[in-house]
Amino acid sequence: DVKVTQSSRYLVKRTGEKVFLECVQDMDHENMFWYRQDPGLGLRLIYFSYDVKMKEKGDIPEGYSVSREKKERFSLILESASTNQTSMYLCASRSYSTSYEQYFGPGTRLTVT
Amino acid sequence: AQSVAQPEDQVNVAEGNPLTVKCTYSVSGNPYLFWYVQYPNRGLQFLLKYITGDNLVKGSYGFEAEFNKSQTSFHLKKPSALVSDSALYFCAVRDPSSGGSYIPTFGRGTSLIVHP
Repeated sequence: DVKVTQSSRYLVKRTGEKVFLECVQDMDHENMFWYRQDPGLGLRLIYFSYDVKMKEKGDIPEGYSVSREKKERFSLILESASTNQTSMYLCASRSYSTSYEQYFGPGTRLTVT
Repeated sequence: AQSVAQPEDQVNVAEGNPLTVKCTYSVSGNPYLFWYVQYPNRGLQFLLKYITGDNLVKGSYGFEAEFNKSQTSFHLKKPSALVSDSALYFCAVRDPSSGGSYIPTFGRGTSLIVHP
């Protein structure tokens, strides 16, 4: 079974802090994604990575950056956390060869105070 | 451009009754369609997909979905609902002919509540 893990289930940070969210997958998938989920808005794509060191902005990249130095790991960085970044963050991975379904991690619920 | 709509924010059904969660889509080519389920405080789990072939797709936990090209729909169904099916359901679409875009579009989600 594919396993996608995220470094924290719950995280509380202060406004202005730099925040790192880590995601690791164990199935050698090329594609990885970061989404944020907010009530009534569904899933919104923040960044997408086709492969190592490759990234593409999603729908809402402002205030975020990403890093993909190794194939299994995709990090989301909040350069200076703000209260409007309080949300559920979901990581996903997908095989490039099929580009079919995505496999999601359990999510990180981030609260910025 | 691709888009997907889940017209109902919430669906209520009694345990043992059939359930339907609706999804319609818009793509320029032939779609890849997906359903995912999210239990409280968890990530999304893949339920089923339509890529090609038989219009009736069977998936996990007794769920199935029917691809209807003329109505551009991909409704999720289950013959007999369980209380444990209560969760948030997401439909997603990807247009493989959209010039290299590998990114699916998700609906806003439908909350399914199954009453005992």
